[in-house]
Formats: sequence, C-alpha cells, structure tokens
Amino acid sequence: DTEVTQTPKHLVMGMTNKKSLKCEQHMGHRAMYWYKQKAKKPPELMFVYSYEKLSINESVPSRFSPECPNSSLLNLHLHALQPEDSALYLCASSHTDRQAKNIQYFGAGTRLSVL
Amino acid sequence: KQEVTQIPAALSVPEGENLVLNCSFTDSAIYNLQWFRQDPGKGLTSLLLIQSSQREQTSGRLNASLDKSSGRSTLYIAASQPGDSATYLCAGFQGGSEKLVFGKGTKLTVNP
Repeated sequence: DTEVTQTPKHLVMGMTNKKSLKCEQHMGHRAMYWYKQKAKKPPELMFVYSYEKLSINESVPSRFSPECPNSSLLNLHLHALQPEDSALYLCASSHTDRQAKNIQYFGAGTRLSVL
Repeated sequence: KQEVTQIPAALSVPEGENLVLNCSFTDSAIYNLQWFRQDPGKGLTSLLLIQSSQREQTSGRLNASLDKSSGRSTLYIAASQPGDSATYLCAGFQGGSEKLVFGKGTKLTVNP
C-alpha cells in the first residue's frame, strides 16, 4: 500500500472561517510534508515533520498551523486565510533514512478556494 | 541553493514517438532525483527515483538517467501513448536535506 489519503478533496471557505486539512498514511513513514501548488506552478514546500516533530517551516504565515498528532496523521489548520491562499494543497510522506531510497509519495491533494 | 530547470516547458508529439524530457540542476551534491507525473488538478504520481550512486532506472516504457557531473537528468519515454499526456516534474533532494526542490515541469501532449 503506497497510498497517502487527503481529505477533503475540495474545500471552499470564507476569510473568517476556521477549517482543517487532513492527511493520513499507513506505510510506516516517519517524514510527512505539506506543499502548496498554485496553477501551472511546481509544488512549494511549506512544512516538514520528521518523527512527529516539525523540522522545516518555510517561513509560512501563521494563518497556516500544522499538527502531527501521531506518525500516521498530519493536519493543516487554516484560519483567517486570504483569497491568494487558494491553491492545491498536497501532502506527502517518505522514510526518513537518508541513506535509503527516499521516495516521496503524494496524496491527491485538497483543492482550496478562499472567498 | 539547489535550482532545478526543465526544458522544454511544453512538448507535443504524435502517438508512437520516442521522446526525451530534460532536467538540469545547479548543485552536484544532489542526493536523489525523482521524476513525477501530474494530471490536471491531481496530485503527483512518483514515476522513478534515481539515487545519487545510480546512473539510471527503468520502469516499463520509462527510463531515467542521472549524470551528476553535468548536472543533468533525462526521462526517456518509449512508444508514447495519448495516456502519457500530463505534466512531468523532476525534483532533487539537496544533500543532507529533506527538502525536495522541483522544476517547473514539462507539459506533454501525445496526439492520437
């Protein structure tokens, strides 16, 4: 099973709403990632969790708040977003052992629209 | 800082043609290089990963090569099919980092 599951698939929210994106994997991976992808652009890294600890924050605004409650689950909490935050949000996971094959497996993404 | 460039940005070919997609990177300390496929509005599907100690990987009609000395990777697609139409992205891990740096992708259209 090489599946990364993201929910919801689509989300529409107002600028005053609070919502959460969810990502789950059962591959035993200990690194999980959030990416943001705008139309016709490559994915941009937002956060990296390694062994449930935040290891990389790419200077993401505080209106995006990641959480890794356990090794299989990654959340992204959203609050007071702006219309320019509308994008495809992708979750990925991988083994953390840098000496081994370190393929990143991606989910299908959540299409977010901020009104 | 690792930068990844993909040329061409778009490519249109007739069905059955063999084709090559190019990826270049600036930092030869690249650890692994991964090729992905992305269909419109969808997530990324991993196609091939080449570790820094390898020179190529093959999966079905796909063959990816890595030349660290020249800072290049190529993805060869044999006997292209309309179902191969998608955007192909290459991405490299910078040595010692968990950060994957992406190219902007090549949009491939295979015409029946």
